[in-house]
Amino acid sequence: GGIITQTPKFLIGQEGQKLTLKCQQNFNHDTMYWYRQDSGKGLRLIYYSITENDLQKGDLSEGYDASREKKSSFSLTVTSAQKNEMAVFLCASSIDRAGTEVFFGKGTRLTVV
Amino acid sequence: GEKVEQHESTLSVREGDSAVINCTYTDTASSYFPWYKQEAGKSLHFVIDIRSNVDRKQSQRLIVLLDKKAKRFSLHITATQPEDSAIYFCAASMPGTYQRFGTGTKLQVVP
Repeated sequence: GGIITQTPKFLIGQEGQKLTLKCQQNFNHDTMYWYRQDSGKGLRLIYYSITENDLQKGDLSEGYDASREKKSSFSLTVTSAQKNEMAVFLCASSIDRAGTEVFFGKGTRLTVV
Repeated sequence: GEKVEQHESTLSVREGDSAVINCTYTDTASSYFPWYKQEAGKSLHFVIDIRSNVDRKQSQRLIVLLDKKAKRFSLHITATQPEDSAIYFCAASMPGTYQRFGTGTKLQVVP
């Protein structure tokens, strides 16, 4: 089996600050994702990447940047933290982008003060 | 794009009874329908899926039904146990696109 490691587990930022979340996977999966989980709203896709250096926008990409530096890592940047950004960010990976199960990391909980 | 609706936000059942969670989707091209479970304080993990070429799939106590005409799919958990208590998310995807998720159903199994 494999594992998805997200760092940090908790992130406290100030309004307007640029914040970076990191993710590593050792499944050797091609596709990686960043989802945002808000209570009562389910999971919404921010960005995904189907291979190293690829980047695709999801449904919620505004206000975020992402980078797939290598196959095993995918980082997400909140470009300017807002008060309503308190949420859990989940990194995930899958063999391909459709038709297969997605594996999730444990999440980064963001709080903006 | 595809939109997935999950109809029950909370569900409470007695231990040993069956639980049913329903989802609908909008795009007839969707062909893959997985379900994920999130236990308290943990992340999501996959539990079962169904593809559009079948209308029923079972894995132990979990049954997934797919009604393509109604664009509806459901998760049935039979003989529920306390460890089934969790939030369940349905998802759907079209070929070549990422999965879109429902808003989750919090299932509570009471003794």
